Amino acid sequence: EIVLAQSPGTLSLSPGERATLSCRASQSVSSSYLAWYQQKPGQAPRLLIYGVSSRATGIPDRFSGSGSGTDFTLTISRLEPEDFAVYYCQQYGSSRGFGPGTKVDMK
Amino acid sequence: EVQLLESGGGLVQPGGSLRLSCAASGFTFSNYAMSWVRQAPGKGLEWVCSVIASGSNTYYADSVKGRFTISRDNSKNTLYLQMNSVRVDDTAVYYCAKGTGAVTTLLGYWGQGTLVTVSS
Repeated sequence: EIVLAQSPGTLSLSPGERATLSCRASQSVSSSYLAWYQQKPGQAPRLLIYGVSSRATGIPDRFSGSGSGTDFTLTISRLEPEDFAVYYCQQYGSSRGFGPGTKVDMK
Repeated sequence: EVQLLESGGGLVQPGGSLRLSCAASGFTFSNYAMSWVRQAPGKGLEWVCSVIASGSNTYYADSVKGRFTISRDNSKNTLYLQMNSVRVDDTAVYYCAKGTGAVTTLLGYWGQGTLVTVSS
């Protein structure tokens, strides 16, 4: 079973700043089956990125994903007020599970 | 428009049973894998189980294997989660989520969740 770790636990930034979130897998993620979700308080999660770097429908291009093997990154190029939320990575191949999340909060 | 409406949550005693339902609309239900994901109060997301589009294959997290059963009725566009021998640590909001394909656990749409509280 692949275990996902995310860092940092909390990222305190200001609107307009760049956010870099990390997701590290305990084993290589097969076929790039790595996704990112955003969750705001009181809401269900929303799919942002799949296949490491493909944006889901309607996701703005300030969100980008990268990485391979065991190390993956979600980058938000310029934080908008609506981007302050919790972000989860997910492996959706032979192993299924989420990372513990990174909270992006306003400084 | 894809809609997923969970129901059946509530208060249950430890060791008891509960069945959750998820009514789906806005897409061809029988073409997509479905999953349940839960979130304990103030905690992160935990994948619980999944069923492929045909219903012939199911997958479970170790934490619920042998206690929970996922099933689907493609004629009724409904997903189910039968929860038996529930424990206090099963307390969570349970989300129903639609896969992006017939066998995947990549989750493109989520319901709003139903709260299950396990307490005596």
